[in-house]
Amino acid sequence: EAQVTQNPRYLITVTGKKLTVTCSQNMNHEYMSWYRQDPGLGLRQIYYSMNVEVTDKGDVPEGYKVSRKEKRNFPLILESPSPNQTSLYFCASSYSGSNQPQHFGDGTRLSIL
Amino acid sequence: GENVEQHPSTLSVQEGDSAVIKCTYSDSASNYFPWYKQELGKRPQLIIDIRSNVGEKKDQRIAVTLNKTAKHFSLHITETQPEDSAVYFCAAFLSGYALNFGKGTSLLVTP
Repeated sequence: EAQVTQNPRYLITVTGKKLTVTCSQNMNHEYMSWYRQDPGLGLRQIYYSMNVEVTDKGDVPEGYKVSRKEKRNFPLILESPSPNQTSLYFCASSYSGSNQPQHFGDGTRLSIL
Repeated sequence: GENVEQHPSTLSVQEGDSAVIKCTYSDSASNYFPWYKQELGKRPQLIIDIRSNVGEKKDQRIAVTLNKTAKHFSLHITETQPEDSAVYFCAAFLSGYALNFGKGTSLLVTP
């Protein structure tokens, strides 16, 4: 089954404790992206990747890191999480990115205390 | 200003009526405009999209129109049903690779 898999689905942690949210897709997509969703603000793009070793900032990249060492994986790293990063996070992928539908994962709800 | 603006933020219609959601974008180079539906607690799912070489696209009760000159596009849902109740997001690819979403429209269809 074609899918985008995120882990964990839920996480409660404390300020400053490094965490990684994994994202994996099995559709051989070139384009992958991370979004955060906050009430009243919609979906905002954090980072995106056009292909392996190619990443770029979206609208809200501060406090986040990403890497794309393999085509199927695109982890989101919070080196020193802060409470304002409490949010619902979605990973998505598409075939090429420029004009293709995004396939979303189920989301990861992060709470930073 | 925002790259993609979406209106209204909430919309309530009676079952069987039509619903229209409008979006405007700022980047004249944008060439792909998807619409996503998000039910409570679930992932956004693509319901329809349109590319800049097309002015209108229809899929059963859902249609999207695009006016590139005015830089706006709209979602039209006809014969609404209670299961259409959800949050709808428009989006536009900016500068070819980044994707900007509108802030969403919460649609409520009452029986």
